Amino acid sequence: EVQLLESGGGLAHPGGSLRLSCVTSGFIPRSYAMAWVRQAPGRGLEWVSSVGGSGSDTIYADSVKGRFTISRDNSQSTLYLEMNSLRGEDTAVYFCARYYGSGRFYGYWGQGSLVIVSS
Amino acid sequence: EIVLTQSPGTLSLSPGERATLSCRASQSVSSNWLAWYQQEPGQAPKLLIYDASSRVPGIPDRFSGSGSGTDFTLTIARLEAEDFAVYYCQQYGTSPQTFGQGTKVEIK
Repeated sequence: EVQLLESGGGLAHPGGSLRLSCVTSGFIPRSYAMAWVRQAPGRGLEWVSSVGGSGSDTIYADSVKGRFTISRDNSQSTLYLEMNSLRGEDTAVYFCARYYGSGRFYGYWGQGSLVIVSS
Repeated sequence: EIVLTQSPGTLSLSPGERATLSCRASQSVSSNWLAWYQQEPGQAPKLLIYDASSRVPGIPDRFSGSGSGTDFTLTIARLEAEDFAVYYCQQYGTSPQTFGQGTKVEIK
């Protein structure tokens, strides 16, 4: 059974940093690209960043480019999102998600980790 | 980027009724690479449909997707109690991938 479990959310000040982790199980990590998708309170879904199975291919939404870094450690079955220079508009539930096969849509999701950016 | 506009914002229906949800793209979705998700309050989204019309195994056949180009539809043939939720479309044909703003299906 595929499982994704996020951790690392919490309160950060504007300009601060947080690192999210997503521990995965039930599949071979290097075989699947993964992503972070966020949802601001009461709002819709927003794709944040994706990383290929090997970890070498990364892509970011313009809203986080230069501030967030996605990475993965396949030996630890863990996906990361390093978030720097945080802003109020980064406040959201952050979901890690696994691609469904080779398509860039998401068949498996974590439960989400809440990040609040506030002074 | 491709903007997806979902309509209506809220759909008020009774169990047993048919629900028709629309997702319109600001430009053609490459290869009709469009997915639909269901999200219940406090839960992660759940994939229902991909490639516009392919149903995920295990998803009831009352859910169907159709459309091409810029106009796509999710149809729920006969609403059941567990279907009242928010539904999102996502295009993944052109980078950046984008989501619609959602349609809430509520009990009338």
